[in-house]
Amino acid sequence: QSALTQPPSASGSPGQSVTISCTGTSSDVGGYNYVSWYQHHPGKAPKLMIYEGTKRSSGVPDRFSGSKSGNTASLTVSGLQAEDEADYYCCSYVGTNKKIIFGGGTKLTVL
Amino acid sequence: QVQVVESGGGLVKPGGSLRLSCAASGFTFSDYYMNWIRQAPGKGLEWVSYISSRGSIVNYADSVEGRFTISRDNAKNSVYLQMNSLRAEDTAVYYCARDGKSWWFDYWGQGTLVTVSS
Repeated sequence: QSALTQPPSASGSPGQSVTISCTGTSSDVGGYNYVSWYQHHPGKAPKLMIYEGTKRSSGVPDRFSGSKSGNTASLTVSGLQAEDEADYYCCSYVGTNKKIIFGGGTKLTVL
Repeated sequence: QVQVVESGGGLVKPGGSLRLSCAASGFTFSDYYMNWIRQAPGKGLEWVSYISSRGSIVNYADSVEGRFTISRDNAKNSVYLQMNSLRAEDTAVYYCARDGKSWWFDYWGQGTLVTVSS
């Protein structure tokens, strides 16, 4: 099972919006409403941002939003702030073998 | 508050074994699936294994199947990962994480480092 496909990097200036994509197949991203997104600052525990594709985890600012179209899920960060600079990972349940798969990660840089 | 704390990491030679532990508190442990997730140096997150709330269902990543065994003790609010036949590519920070009921991870520990090297 290959990892979900994410762009290695993304960037934006403070106040701008950036969208990170996560592409899978009909066996994972496209087939189930079980996509989640995590923010990971190096040396810290990953933090759940979005679950079930579009739902924000408790305490996550509404600047973060999730969506899905076909086999591709997306995370949009609006009104970029310096503290948003981190690695972001998507994750999905895989129905064919009941395993879980992560994307390769996207390093978000706030310019 | 919910806490998840891993322990048991360290340096081990290729072919060796190690047992990781994860102690949970602040929630009804026996109601939740638990997971192990790892991050190799310079790499992304990789799901390793999950175990159901009562321990009857387990699953593993292809990369560890047959070498790693997940288990839990609900009386001790703990989950374990027995790692055998370790390889250099198993070197990683291993995180324990609670499943938030629909294949997402809402609480993570700080991780424990496993280094496989001669």
